[in-house]
Amino acid sequence: DTEVTQTPKHLVMGMTNKKSLKCEQHMGHRAMYWYKQKAKKPPELMFVYSYEKLSINESVPSRFSPECPNSSLLNLHLHALQPEDSALYLCASSQVGQGGTGELFFGEGSRLTVL
Amino acid sequence: TQLLEQSPQFLSIQEGENLTVYCNSSSVFSSLQWYRQEPGEGPVLLVTVVTGGEVKKLKRLTFQFGDARKDSSLHITAAQPGDTGLYLCAGGQGAQKLVFGQGTRLTINP
Repeated sequence: DTEVTQTPKHLVMGMTNKKSLKCEQHMGHRAMYWYKQKAKKPPELMFVYSYEKLSINESVPSRFSPECPNSSLLNLHLHALQPEDSALYLCASSQVGQGGTGELFFGEGSRLTVL
Repeated sequence: TQLLEQSPQFLSIQEGENLTVYCNSSSVFSSLQWYRQEPGEGPVLLVTVVTGGEVKKLKRLTFQFGDARKDSSLHITAAQPGDTGLYLCAGGQGAQKLVFGQGTRLTINP
């Protein structure tokens, strides 16, 4: 069983909808990530939070808005998405700091379909 | 941006055969990781290699990190249908930033 839990597992939304993806981990990791994965492609980094502060934004469009309410939770707020945003959205967590090799623990993903 | 090139991109073999997947870069990585991903699930970490020349074994899987820390290989002995999946190598590119290879989609036929 994965220790990173993502909800919902599947989401279908229209281009005018507002929805959120949620991620939770209880491994004490202080870095959390959002990745986007299109079919038959590797994961692409979107955002990184380190100690609850946004440390990396890979030039993601503003229709994706991340939020890290506390060290265990990570949200991705979605608004006015486009059909090409349909993908598997993966949350991951890792340790931070000395000795850490950035090993990622992924959730099972949220499969998003934008109509 | 550091790039990782995986080869082959697709591999379909019979159960019991051996195979090797390669992950190459022109850049040096402080560490390199291998993940396996099954359809509809997130990637699962298999191994991390950090020392040039390091070899790690995980049952029938053998991972090697090149002496110069620019490349890595994954060798599977006596492949089984349960080994089917997408194999991803990933290298550290600064704090909390991993770059993934394009992946090798492996199919083991019974």
